[in-house]
Amino acid sequence: AQSVTQPDIHITVSEGASLELRCNYSYGATPYLFWYVQSPGQGLQLLLKYFSGDTLVQGIKGFEAEFKRSQSSFNLRKPSVHWSDAAEYFCAVGGSQGNLIFGKGTKLSVKP
Amino acid sequence: EAGVAQSPRYKIIEKRQSVAFWCNPISGHATLYWYQQILGQGPKLLIQFQNNGVVDDSQLPKDRFSAERLKGVDSTLKIQPAKLEDSAVYLCASTTVQGGGYEQYFGPGTRLTVT
Repeated sequence: AQSVTQPDIHITVSEGASLELRCNYSYGATPYLFWYVQSPGQGLQLLLKYFSGDTLVQGIKGFEAEFKRSQSSFNLRKPSVHWSDAAEYFCAVGGSQGNLIFGKGTKLSVKP
Repeated sequence: EAGVAQSPRYKIIEKRQSVAFWCNPISGHATLYWYQQILGQGPKLLIQFQNNGVVDDSQLPKDRFSAERLKGVDSTLKIQPAKLEDSAVYLCASTTVQGGGYEQYFGPGTRLTVT
């Protein structure tokens, strides 16, 4: 069965520092992979997605993610974090019926 | 382009009462999803519609939850009777493509508190 693991529940970084959020997936075939962000009281907003091709994908708000098949990972990165990036981040894999299977999320706090 | 609309945004009810949530997907989106997001967890799929037919409802607690999508547009999710563990945010999402894990657009959610 498909599953997603986000090993870090909460991460705190200083403003201007780099960020990497980890995501590991379990899926038999080539996965469709997504990163979503959720600000307090808001719905989920898509940051980026991977379907095929180049394993380094660029998203909105300066985020990127790299698909590594050998490690079953799809980690999210940003070179310089802004205070407005504080939110909860969810990694997801596309299921066989077109649904999304989410990880439990990583809450990002940004120190001034 | 208008996004996915949901109402109400917040609802507080007592256990054993009933409640209904409404979702209006993006115009033209054939596929509609309802997710349940319990505090501290990621969203979990409850039910998926393709037009007005059910594609997947395997994780819907059918003894108390029901959903419909009349005319393949708006959808309603109902809980009757509610339990304390139903306290969660209920998210509606829609997409244009049939299956395949394509990009989904989410509404703001309805936060349900059961006391």
